Amino acid sequence: GDSVTQMEGPVTLSEEAFLTINCTYTATGYPSLFWYVQYPGEGLQLLLKATKADDKGSNKGFEATYRKETTSFHLEKGSVQVSDSAVYFCARGNSGAGSYQLTFGKGTKLSVIP
Amino acid sequence: NAGVTQTPKFQVLKTGQSMTLQCAQDMNHNSMYWYRQDPGMGLRLIYYSASEGTTDKGEVPNGYNVSRLNKREFSLRLESAAPSQTSVYFCASSGGGGKYEQYFGPGTRLTVT
Repeated sequence: GDSVTQMEGPVTLSEEAFLTINCTYTATGYPSLFWYVQYPGEGLQLLLKATKADDKGSNKGFEATYRKETTSFHLEKGSVQVSDSAVYFCARGNSGAGSYQLTFGKGTKLSVIP
Repeated sequence: NAGVTQTPKFQVLKTGQSMTLQCAQDMNHNSMYWYRQDPGMGLRLIYYSASEGTTDKGEVPNGYNVSRLNKREFSLRLESAAPSQTSVYFCASSGGGGKYEQYFGPGTRLTVT
């Protein structure tokens, strides 16, 4: 079935370091791809998305490019801040039964230290 | 706009008690979802409603029931709570019609003792 695999955490970085969180998906169809962020004690918020191959989603300094050839959607940020500390989830869209479901990865916890 | 709202925020139940988690959205979305989030497990879909009047099982439906009361509201009921249902529950909604992005509520933290 449809699945998403993202790198295990936790990830600890110093402020201003470069961030990469890897995400790969099963290549069933041409799914929409998403990154969500969850701050402590809150629900998930949509961070960015891409709907077709070679699309680049971006928001708040984060970027991810839809790579069909490697079935990947890695999240990157050039200079992280303490406020970026959160859990990040990669997700892919599935279709079926008229409802556009998402399959989520298990999440990667990021801690940024001053 | 409030987006997706959930009540209650916290709840403690004894084994065997019942309760209903409430969810409402004000974005005129067609589809609504209930997830549970457990450490190391990510989010797992319990039930979803593709449109008003329909509901379907997700990955982990056992021990739960749902009601799509109208287009805005989607409730989750635990008839006889068990310690294994201790979790954080999230409701989400999406527009449907090819729009996959889901919008999440703040969650309900449930403890069953």
